[in-house]
Amino acid sequence: DVKVTQSSRYLVKRTGEKVFLECVQDMDHENMFWYRQDPGLGLRLIYFSYDVKMKEKGDIPEGYSVSREKKERFSLILESASTNQTSMYLCASSGGRGRNEQFFGPGTRLTVL
Amino acid sequence: GENVEQHPSTLSVQEGDSAVIKCTYSDSASNYFPWYKQELGKGPQLIIDIRSNVGEKKDQRIAVTLNKTAKHFSLHITETQPEDSAVYFCAAVGAGSYQLTFGKGTKLSVIP
Repeated sequence: DVKVTQSSRYLVKRTGEKVFLECVQDMDHENMFWYRQDPGLGLRLIYFSYDVKMKEKGDIPEGYSVSREKKERFSLILESASTNQTSMYLCASSGGRGRNEQFFGPGTRLTVL
Repeated sequence: GENVEQHPSTLSVQEGDSAVIKCTYSDSASNYFPWYKQELGKGPQLIIDIRSNVGEKKDQRIAVTLNKTAKHFSLHITETQPEDSAVYFCAAVGAGSYQLTFGKGTKLSVIP
């Protein structure tokens, strides 16, 4: 059974803290994605990666960075967390070119106080 | 870039009735249109998808139709059941792209 796991289901951080969200997939997928989900706004793409050490900006990259040192792991980094980054964060992965189906993790609910 | 509009934002139906959710897209080069279901506390899960060379696809009680000329596609759920209650998202992918552009979602409530 395919699986995308995220390091935490719930996370509470303070303004200004550096925050790491980890995502691991066991499907040997080339592509990995980070989204944030907010009520009424749907899923918005923050960053994605189509290969190890490669990254591309999505629609809302400001305030975030990513790291992909290994194929199975994709990390989202909030360099200095702010209250407007309180959200649900979803990680997803998909196979190579031509294989568009994305598999999602369960999400991390991040609250920044 | 691609823009996907989804309607309605909320939908309530009686158990056993049908539900229809509609989406429009802007990029005529888009060629893949998945639908995801998100249950409470879970990540979205693919339930059905359609490619631009097909007009309709069915899987038991769910079906998707695609009108490329009008640039819209729809999800049809027949004989709805309480377990169909969830948030549904449509999405589109442009040719040669990895990136999904999602609609804002439809919260479906099936009333027993």
